[in-house]
Amino acid sequence: NAGVTQTPKFQVLKTGQSMTLQCAQDMNHNSMYWYRQDPGMGLRLIYYSASEGTTDKGEVPNGYNVSRLNKREFSLRLESAAPSQTSVYFCASSGLAGGPGETQYFGPGTRLLVL
Amino acid sequence: AQSVTQLGSHVSVSEGALVLLRCNYSSSVPPYLFWYVQYPNQGLQLLLKYTSAATLVKGINGFEAEFKKSETSFHLTKPSAHMSDAAEYFCAVSRPEYGNKLVFGAGTILRVKS
Repeated sequence: NAGVTQTPKFQVLKTGQSMTLQCAQDMNHNSMYWYRQDPGMGLRLIYYSASEGTTDKGEVPNGYNVSRLNKREFSLRLESAAPSQTSVYFCASSGLAGGPGETQYFGPGTRLLVL
Repeated sequence: AQSVTQLGSHVSVSEGALVLLRCNYSSSVPPYLFWYVQYPNQGLQLLLKYTSAATLVKGINGFEAEFKKSETSFHLTKPSAHMSDAAEYFCAVSRPEYGNKLVFGAGTILRVKS
């Protein structure tokens, strides 16, 4: 049982390049989330998916797109990377669709550097 | 909108001393409250959560937190710090009307001195 896995662990991009961050969970959770972590700002929600087939914007969605490929996988795409997107990206999942008070389980993160 | 304030971006304690990390939330309705810990180069791990049951919540690794509605606070404590407690700690809040989305505080880095 690996929990939440993310690939790659580290990536360097040039401004304008595109890339997709992959996330998978093996806990049969319905909800999945993408956050970015920046120093002094905590984690901010980029997009989330309450259930397979649905996605919604979070606090900071600009410059990103997501795909809920199936129940297990939730990818985050940067179409044209900018230096402001240099960050650590975390994927998380939780059990029920929007159930209050649920625990979210986090992956190990992807460190992205945009030059 | 809900928000979370963590007082003190850095806290330093001696090994064996009391750990107190402060968290205040802004909400007219009691929310669900969480404390997560992040060890260096790792993801976040749940320490404990308050979901409107007992106001004193016990978590892993000897941590506990008390929900005080009158003070809109959810401070995290541990009676005796251990070197292994050195990490970054995040307070987070969610409310039913906002689904299960978490709003995080800015984080507090705990340093434990030997």
